[in-house]
Formats: sequence, C-alpha cells, structure tokens
Amino acid sequence: EVLLVESGGGLVKPGGSLRLLCVASGFSFSNYSLSWVRQAPGKGLEWVSSINGRSDYIYYADSVKGRFTISRDNAKNSLDLQMNSLRAEDTAVYYCARITVAGLRSWGQGTLVTVSS
Amino acid sequence: DIVMTQSPDSLAVSVGERATINCKSSQSVFYSSNNRNYLSWYQQKPGQPPKLLIFWASTRESGVPDRFSGSGSGTDFTLTISSLQAEDVAVYYCQQFYSTLYTFGQGTKLEIK
Repeated sequence: EVLLVESGGGLVKPGGSLRLLCVASGFSFSNYSLSWVRQAPGKGLEWVSSINGRSDYIYYADSVKGRFTISRDNAKNSLDLQMNSLRAEDTAVYYCARITVAGLRSWGQGTLVTVSS
Repeated sequence: DIVMTQSPDSLAVSVGERATINCKSSQSVFYSSNNRNYLSWYQQKPGQPPKLLIFWASTRESGVPDRFSGSGSGTDFTLTISSLQAEDVAVYYCQQFYSTLYTFGQGTKLEIK
C-alpha cells in the first residue's frame, strides 16, 4: 500500500520559515516524481512544486518561486519543502503527492501551516 | 501558465439524476505524440485529501464506479456522473499535467437537491 505522511506544519509568524517533511512507503520511491499541493482554508487546490526522481528537474509555482525549496532524499524515502519568507497567504494544508502518468495518484493526509502574528 | 476554468462553481442535482461538470483549459493539453489528453479529475470530500477519479481525460481509475465518466479533448472536457448517489457529494477538480507547471481548476461543489 502506498503511504505518504506529512509532518512539520504549525504556527509561524510572517517572514518566518518552516520545513515540511513527507515520508513515503509502499513503492519504489526513487522511481517517482513527487509534488507538493496546498489548499488554503475553504479554498481550492493549488499546485506548489514538483521534483523528479533524480532531483534534476524541479519546478515551482510563481507564487512560491524564490521562497520555497523542494528537495528529496531517496535513501530515506523522504521529500522536503523548505519554506522561507512566509506570508499570510501561505496559510494552507500542504499535501505531498506521488506523480504518475495518470496525474497525482496518491496523496498524504496533509499538514496545516498557519502564518499569523 | 495554463489556466483551468471549471463551470459551474456549484451544482445541486437530485439523487439518481445526471450531474455534468465542465473544464476548459487556456491551451490544448493534447499530446499528439501519444494521442493523450493530459487532464485528470479529482474528487475531494470534506476533511479528506483529493482522490484521482479519471485520467487521460476519459480513463477511469481502478475502483472508481462506472457511473463516473470523462470526455473531451484539446481544451474542453466534461466529467459526468450518470446517476448521482448521496456519497458523491464532494468538490470536483480538473487538473492539467501537460505543462510541468501543473494547474487545477477552481473546483465545482456538488450537492444533493
């Protein structure tokens, strides 16, 4: 069974930093690209970033480019999202998801990030 | 970026009736090299992560009931629920993965009339 478990969310002040972690199991981790997708309270889904298996193709939404950094450790089956210069509009549940030829086939339960003073 | 626009924003349908949700992309998401539309549909119920329903515009994910179907090509797509069940109440999203900058539609909230 594919399992994705996010952690690291919490309350942070505007301008602060936070690092999210997603630990995966149940599939050959290094063979899959992964994404972070977020959902602000009561709002729709917003794709944030993607990374391929070898970390040589990385993409970001314009809304987070220059502030967020995605990375992965294939030895630890883990995906990270380093978030700097956080803003109130970054408040959201952050999901990690496995990318397949069909799209985002597997999702974690999400971790809540709240940016507030 | 490719902009995805869904219609309507919300929809109320009686149990047993047909529900139709539309999705339009600002540019084609069709790859002629493999004859695939890089368009997926997701269902999200309250408090849950999204669930993949349909990929390549019309291929049903394993385990998804056959009352769900997808159609369309290029820039215009439709998700149809042929006979709405109470458990289908959810928000539905389309998403393109033609571009490496994936984008979602704004969502369509489906309720029971």
